Amino acid sequence: NAGVTQTPKFRVLKTGQSMTLLCAQDMNHEYMYWYRQDPGMGLRLIHYSVGEGTTAKGEVPDGYNVSRLKKQNFLLGLESAAPSQTSVYFCASTERGSYSPLHFGNGTRLTVT
Amino acid sequence: AQKITQTQPGMFVQEKEAVTLDCTYDTSDPSYGLFWYKQPSSGEMIFLIYQGSYDQQNATEGRYSLNFQKARKSANLVISASQLGDSAMYFCAMREGRGYSTLTFGKGTMLLVSP
Repeated sequence: NAGVTQTPKFRVLKTGQSMTLLCAQDMNHEYMYWYRQDPGMGLRLIHYSVGEGTTAKGEVPDGYNVSRLKKQNFLLGLESAAPSQTSVYFCASTERGSYSPLHFGNGTRLTVT
Repeated sequence: AQKITQTQPGMFVQEKEAVTLDCTYDTSDPSYGLFWYKQPSSGEMIFLIYQGSYDQQNATEGRYSLNFQKARKSANLVISASQLGDSAMYFCAMREGRGYSTLTFGKGTMLLVSP
């Protein structure tokens, strides 16, 4: 029962470098999300997907891109990392239904120097 | 305007006592759902309890209950008989409407349980 798996768990980047965060879920969920968590800010939605091949912007999408080529995977990319993107990133998934809770991965701690 | 407001940055409670964590929300949609999550120091997000806007009764899950006051737009989490393991950050969240909607989170309340 893996649930939602995020890789990597930790990463340090230099300003201007690029990277991709991978999220994989084995629950056959339709919806997937990327959030970032910063101290005192709660969780803020970056991008989300309501199905394979679809993506949409959330509250704080600038500087990030996403892709959902397969239903079980949701990738978050940083093309040119900035120190402001230092954060903890959470991937989540859920099934259809307004009552369905989000199932979260364990997070990726990213530091941009 | 914030959609989810958690006014208590931190709360302290003694073991075995009950504690209420406040959450108010703002929406004009008659259909919505409210969620509470726990985040211990290890960092994972743990789903605790759900309340739908049309639910007639307050939700309960073990020691967790949700004090849902629709007219006041509040959805406070009540933890009965606090345990040391309840020390964590607690987040209130809301999903508006039906179908493809996202979860909006509050900024959280840090709960510390002392022996």
